Amino acid sequence: QKEVEQDPGPLSVPEGAIVSLNCTYSNSAFQYFMWYRQYSRKGPELLMYTYSSGNKEDGRFTAQVDKSSKYISLFIRDSQPSDSATYLCAMRTGNQFYFGTGTSLTVIP
Amino acid sequence: DTGVSQNPRHKITKRGQNVTFRCDPISEHNRLYWYRQTLGQGPEFLTYFQNEAQLEKSRLLSDRFSAERPKGSFSTLEIQRTEQGDSAMYLCASSLGTGAYGYTFGSGTRLTVV
Repeated sequence: QKEVEQDPGPLSVPEGAIVSLNCTYSNSAFQYFMWYRQYSRKGPELLMYTYSSGNKEDGRFTAQVDKSSKYISLFIRDSQPSDSATYLCAMRTGNQFYFGTGTSLTVIP
Repeated sequence: DTGVSQNPRHKITKRGQNVTFRCDPISEHNRLYWYRQTLGQGPEFLTYFQNEAQLEKSRLLSDRFSAERPKGSFSTLEIQRTEQGDSAMYLCASSLGTGAYGYTFGSGTRLTVV
């Protein structure tokens, strides 16, 4: 079993839709949770981070962590074509990050 | 400072050749990380440095791989006797301190072994 599981998609939505991206994990030692966005042929770009359970909002993005269920989510409101990218969840314990495989998102104008 | 810089952006090499990649982190960042990413997968940890000391290496880092950060600034990753399975994107990232809230990644070096 992988440390972090993420549905690879692809996910295709119309512009303006609410997007929900999810990851599950097995290691209860994870404390820091992040979402990265990666455009084609580019390095990952940090979008949001949260510590432990709870919600965090930043503009159109909301990150949720439910440690009891070992489940994290990223919601994108009013999705835009520029949001089309691969979204990677990442989790940290010790000095290492563990990444999901990424979900490919396309927002259709 | 414009972020983490990696060179070259692309490298095509023949199987059996040696290759070296360079990473210039954000200048004030004391930690530097190397990751490998294959198509359709998330980045996988290879190794990291705190200043010039290499503190951790993944079991993915075989004897053919070596990384250095001689003066605690830029880093190099060398792959000897490349194999087709080494074809991947090699990502460098840096952080100030433990990077608890995420790293800053470079754009990566895409290696193709033919």
